[in-house]
Amino acid sequence: DADVTQTPRNRITKTGKRIMLECSQTKGHDRMYWYRQDPGLGLQLIYYSFDVKDINKGEISDGYSVSRQAQAKFSLSLESAIPNQTALYFCATSDSLLAGKQFFGPGTRLTVL
Amino acid sequence: DQQVKQNSPSLSVQEGRISILNCDYTNSMFDYFLWYKKYPAEGPTFLISISSIKDKNEDGRFTVFLNKSAKHLSLHIVPSQPGDSAVYFCAASAIGGTSYGKLTFGQGTILTVHP
Repeated sequence: DADVTQTPRNRITKTGKRIMLECSQTKGHDRMYWYRQDPGLGLQLIYYSFDVKDINKGEISDGYSVSRQAQAKFSLSLESAIPNQTALYFCATSDSLLAGKQFFGPGTRLTVL
Repeated sequence: DQQVKQNSPSLSVQEGRISILNCDYTNSMFDYFLWYKKYPAEGPTFLISISSIKDKNEDGRFTVFLNKSAKHLSLHIVPSQPGDSAVYFCAASAIGGTSYGKLTFGQGTILTVHP
C-alpha cells in the first residue's frame, strides 16, 4: 500500500465551485505539505504543517485553505475555484529530523473550467 | 524571484554516457540540497542530497557536486540508462531556523536517455 495517498486523482470542476483535495499518510511523519506544479515552474509550496496545531502559508497560499484533521491527514480546499488554479497538486510528508527529505503522494490533476 | 534555477529545460543523452544536470541558487542561507526524480503520473521521489559541509556525495551511479562559492550544484549520472528518463528537480532548504523542512524547487529538467 502507498505510504502517501491523495484523493481524488483527477477532478474536473467549474469556476466558483468549492473543491477539497485530501491527503493521508501512514509513514507516521509529523510534517505535511501541499504543492502545486505548473509547466515550467517546478513545484511551489502552498501550505505546510509541522504538527497538528501548526499551519503555515507557503509561497502561493492565496485562494487556498487547509485543515490538519489529524497527524495523518491534511486537506487542501479551494473555496471558489478559478481556471488559473488548474494544475497538478502534490501532498508530501517528512520526519522532523530529516525534514528536507520529503515523500510525495501520486498527485491530483485538477482542471477548473 | 526564482531562488533555485535549472536553466536547461531538457537534456538528451545516449545510453551508457554521462548525464549532467545543473542547478543554480541565489539564497546564501540554503545549506541543504536535494535532487528529486519524477516519472509521469507519479509524485517526485527523493534521489540524493548533499549538505553544505560537503562538496560531493555519491550513491551508486548518482553523484551530486556542490560548489558553494559559485552557488551551483550538479547531478552526474554514470552510466545513464533508459530507465533514468524522467524529470529531475533540484531543491534547496535552510537547515537552521523555523524554515527547516521548507523546500524551494527549481523548474525541473527533462532527461531523455536514448538506447
